[in-house]
Amino acid sequence: AQSVSQHNHHVILSEAASLELGCNYSYGGTVNLFWYVQYPGQHLQLLLKYFSGDPLVKGIKGFEAEFIKSKFSFNLRKPSVQWSDTAEYFCAVNTDKLIFGTGTRLQVFP
Amino acid sequence: NAGVTQTPKFQVLKTGQSMTLQCAQDMNHEYMSWYRQDPGMGLRLIHYSVGAGITDQGEVPNGYNVSRSTTEDFPLRLLSAAPSQTSVYFCASSYDTSSSYNEQFFGPGTRLTVL
Repeated sequence: AQSVSQHNHHVILSEAASLELGCNYSYGGTVNLFWYVQYPGQHLQLLLKYFSGDPLVKGIKGFEAEFIKSKFSFNLRKPSVQWSDTAEYFCAVNTDKLIFGTGTRLQVFP
Repeated sequence: NAGVTQTPKFQVLKTGQSMTLQCAQDMNHEYMSWYRQDPGMGLRLIHYSVGAGITDQGEVPNGYNVSRSTTEDFPLRLLSAAPSQTSVYFCASSYDTSSSYNEQFFGPGTRLTVL
């Protein structure tokens, strides 16, 4: 069965710091990978997605993620975070259904 | 397009009561699903449907029923509510699950409290 692990549960950064959130999945076949973001009090929105091709995927708001097949990883990165990036971030893997990781809560302080 | 709509936004139930959470989408999406979100546990898939008349269980289906009589609607039924079902429930839909169009669109959520 597919599963997704996010090892960083809570990350606290200052503005302008660099961000990397880990995501590992377990599934032997072809996968589609996603990062979703949930801002306080809002529902989930798609940040970026990987289906095929270039393993480095760029999303909205300066986020990017790299799919490393050999490591079963899809880590999210941003070179310089802003206070407005404070949110919860979810990695997800889609085969015949979409399964989410437990999420990473990011707090960015000015 | 209204996207994915959910009603109600908030609900308080007593243990043993039943209720239905409504979900509708106007994007002609084949795939619809229900998740519950609990602190520290992310979103867990309850049930999903790949088209009208077809439903299947997700990770945590116990205590919930679903049906999909139309493409647009995917209600979630709690037959006998329990405090463990206190959660935020999200409905989501996508074009399908097998193509590059399978971005999931989420509804605004229903916050359910079971006393």
